[in-house]
Amino acid sequence: EIVMTQSPATLSVSPGERATLSCRASQSVSNDLAWYQQTPGQAPRLLIYGASTRAAGIPVRFSGSGSGTEFTLTISSLQSEDSAIYFCQHYNNQPLIFGGGTTVEIK
Amino acid sequence: QVQLQESGPGLVKPSQTLSLTCTVSGGSITNNNYFWSWIRQHPGKGLEWIGYIYYTGAAYYNPSLESRGSISVDTSKNQFSLKLWSVTAADTALYYCAREVIVPVDADGFDIWGQGTMVTVSP
Repeated sequence: EIVMTQSPATLSVSPGERATLSCRASQSVSNDLAWYQQTPGQAPRLLIYGASTRAAGIPVRFSGSGSGTEFTLTISSLQSEDSAIYFCQHYNNQPLIFGGGTTVEIK
Repeated sequence: QVQLQESGPGLVKPSQTLSLTCTVSGGSITNNNYFWSWIRQHPGKGLEWIGYIYYTGAAYYNPSLESRGSISVDTSKNQFSLKLWSVTAADTALYYCAREVIVPVDADGFDIWGQGTMVTVSP
């Protein structure tokens, strides 16, 4: 089973600043990686698939990069509504595994 | 627009069976571009994929369930269901159903989620 590790656990960023979230896989998942955003009381929302492709309707300030074992989600200019937990998830093989999440707080 | 809605008991006694149903509306569960999954989230914790089913009935489960789970599909009702046997307090969680895109193959990800249903295992 592939282990997905996210860092940091919590990130505090000022509005308008850049937020950089990391996700590491215990073995290569190629670019079979997705990112999700979960706000309080809501189901997760798909942000990125294929490591770098934005899902429909996702603002351009969200971008994904990486391949193999190291991945990054960048929020280029943080907005107040971006306060949330962000999860990565691989779909390279079964079982599908999510990372533990990074909480983004607005400073 | 496709929507998913979970339903089922919110309270289950230990050692009994948890049964949940996900109703798909606005689209057909027989669309061959998707898998249909169950995912759970323990209180204040991360996400755990339980398993998925294809409209043909082919299913795959997370080994972490230790063979306690079963997912079935009813195409006539546009529904898929989860059964989890011999539940314990560790199965207390928010249960989501979700759609996974499999075609095109490079557009994978859970693109549509239900709102989630809380299940508590308690005497």
